[in-house]
Amino acid sequence: KAGVTQTPRYLIKTRGQQVTLSCSPISGHRSVSWYQQTPGQGLQFLFEYFSETQRNKGNFPGRFSGRQFSNSRSEMNVSTLELGDSALYLCASSPRRGGETQYFGPGTRLLVL
Amino acid sequence: AQSVTQPDIHITVSEGASLELRCNYSYGATPYLFWYVQSPGQGLQLLLKYFSGDTLVQGIKGFEAEFKRSQSSFNLRKPSVHWSDAAEYFCAVGLDSGAGSYQLTFGKGTKLSVIP
Repeated sequence: KAGVTQTPRYLIKTRGQQVTLSCSPISGHRSVSWYQQTPGQGLQFLFEYFSETQRNKGNFPGRFSGRQFSNSRSEMNVSTLELGDSALYLCASSPRRGGETQYFGPGTRLLVL
Repeated sequence: AQSVTQPDIHITVSEGASLELRCNYSYGATPYLFWYVQSPGQGLQLLLKYFSGDTLVQGIKGFEAEFKRSQSSFNLRKPSVHWSDAAEYFCAVGLDSGAGSYQLTFGKGTKLSVIP
């Protein structure tokens, strides 16, 4: 089985712009979670989607949003980018809602200038 | 508040030496426990997990971890480290955030350097 894929792998944006990141889960996996990784804050949970519905959300501002499609693929969007949004964004999938084991993709490295 | 602590930010060992990475958690009940490894510029790879049962769990790449309820710990071990084990290691706790939704809470990570 192919693993979790994320596109693009690298992205450079400027402050004020918006960005959309994509995640394709492992085939058959229906739950997708997103995490932000920064040197200062470490790995932090952003949100989880299952059956096209956001099930859980971490402590991030409303500029961070996401969605999930009927084929379980997910996108996350960050509007009005700030320098502090520079991070590695990791997507993880699991077979079911509340799936205990999450499998991670390679991440998208976002640099905001 | 729930938390996961990895007390060692950076550990350096010689190739062939044994390794133990520490992880402590603070939760009301026994959560699901995980160790992930991350090579530079890469995503997270699952090394092993503990849900219940035998408190000594075996993982990939020769790693094992032991769950100790009394100490709220889940330490990762390897008897003989290889140079390719140099990476950052993350302990994580699976938390039921309600209505069957899980999220992982991570420790800050331990960076492992291996001296040839």
